Amino acid sequence: AAGVIQSPRHLIKEKRETATLKCYPIPRHDTVYWYQQGPGQDPQFLISFYEKMQSDKGSIPDRFSAQQFSDYHSELNMSSLELGDSALYFCASSLDRSNTEAFFGQGTRLTVV
Amino acid sequence: AQTVTQSQPEMSVQEAETVTLSCTYDTSESNYYLFWYKQPPSRQMILVIRQEAYKQQNATENRFSVNFQKAAKSFSLKISDSQLGDTAMYFCAFMKPESEKLVFGKGTKLTVNP
Repeated sequence: AAGVIQSPRHLIKEKRETATLKCYPIPRHDTVYWYQQGPGQDPQFLISFYEKMQSDKGSIPDRFSAQQFSDYHSELNMSSLELGDSALYFCASSLDRSNTEAFFGQGTRLTVV
Repeated sequence: AQTVTQSQPEMSVQEAETVTLSCTYDTSESNYYLFWYKQPPSRQMILVIRQEAYKQQNATENRFSVNFQKAAKSFSLKISDSQLGDTAMYFCAFMKPESEKLVFGKGTKLTVNP
């Protein structure tokens, strides 16, 4: 069965650079969620989208922005990267905002040096 | 704000034995969802089991079962017949129905020994 696809799987950036993370939800899923998991930490909710509109927002820095496109894939844009942004970034998807049926991707590991 | 507490940072169990992971939460809501997620060394987040607060019956998925005590705000996970592949970090999580975010605990690192 198709799963949530995240790309790239690994990314290394320097401080002050920009990074773009992509998420391709499971086919027919219209809701996407982004989480950040720092080293040794629990995942923290960043933002979610339903039908291409932002639907909920968590502790997402102003330097980060995200959107969901017409094909339901989502991109998380991170600018002015800081060392503290180094983390595993998860995307999850579900159908019709049913977070109880959300499936996670394998994550993108971002390292800022 | 909701909080989720996992008081056991690390646990270990022998293969084929049973282990119970603890989770407590704090909320003023009467209806909500509780989850256990498994994160193996591959770092993939895998849903293990889900419980709806308005259901009194404890959820069960094969070797995994929960003990949901709503009044005590407790949601423990029991793993029976532990297998080496159960070695992972286990996160307890909470979600309000009208919200879209999961609130996670700090996790319990479980090691299954041969």
